[in-house]
Amino acid sequence: NAGVTQTPKFRVLKTGQSMTLLCAQDMNHEYMYWYRQDPGMGLRLIHYSVGEGTTAKGEVPDGYNVSRLKKQNFLLGLESAAPSQTSVYFCASGEGTEQFFGPGTRLTVL
Amino acid sequence: GENVEQHPSTLSVQEGDSAVIKCTYSDSASNYFPWYKQELGKGPQLIIDIRSNVGEKKDQRIAVTLNKTAKHFSLHITETQPEDSAVYFCAAVYLYNFNKFYFGSGTKLNVKP
Repeated sequence: NAGVTQTPKFRVLKTGQSMTLLCAQDMNHEYMYWYRQDPGMGLRLIHYSVGEGTTAKGEVPDGYNVSRLKKQNFLLGLESAAPSQTSVYFCASGEGTEQFFGPGTRLTVL
Repeated sequence: GENVEQHPSTLSVQEGDSAVIKCTYSDSASNYFPWYKQELGKGPQLIIDIRSNVGEKKDQRIAVTLNKTAKHFSLHITETQPEDSAVYFCAAVYLYNFNKFYFGSGTKLNVKP
């Protein structure tokens, strides 16, 4: 079992560029989440999904979109990247109380 | 929404000493309180958790206590070892609300050999 995987691991964007972060899980979990981690602020929920074809907003959804076309995948999109979106992004999946996190994607927006 | 505060932001202890990290939460509906450990370059991993109907839980060298009335909970690590060095996050969760986690800001624990 690979658990939760994220691609890419690192990315540098210029302001205004777009990109998609991919999260995949092989644990057949219904729930999936996208967080961003910034120094001194912990992890903040961007968007989440409670099943295939569903998405919902978290604490900090502005500037991001998500899609869950397949149960095992959860995509996070940035349509027009801004320097404020420089962060480390974590995906998690769960079913029950525990959330299982991926290794993260470090994104820098110049 | 829920607001979780975590203290201290950094903690340095000598190997073998105890470490305590404290969190407070604001929403009395929260009923599940996990603690996650994040090692450098990795995603957070669950180390211990407690539900609101329990006051204390222990697992070898780590323990968590919960005071529902005061809305605070704490992580206790005894006999610290260098491999305990990491960032620790607390979270408050209202189960039955899609298990949305509200995390504290994290505590960087450094255990000096």
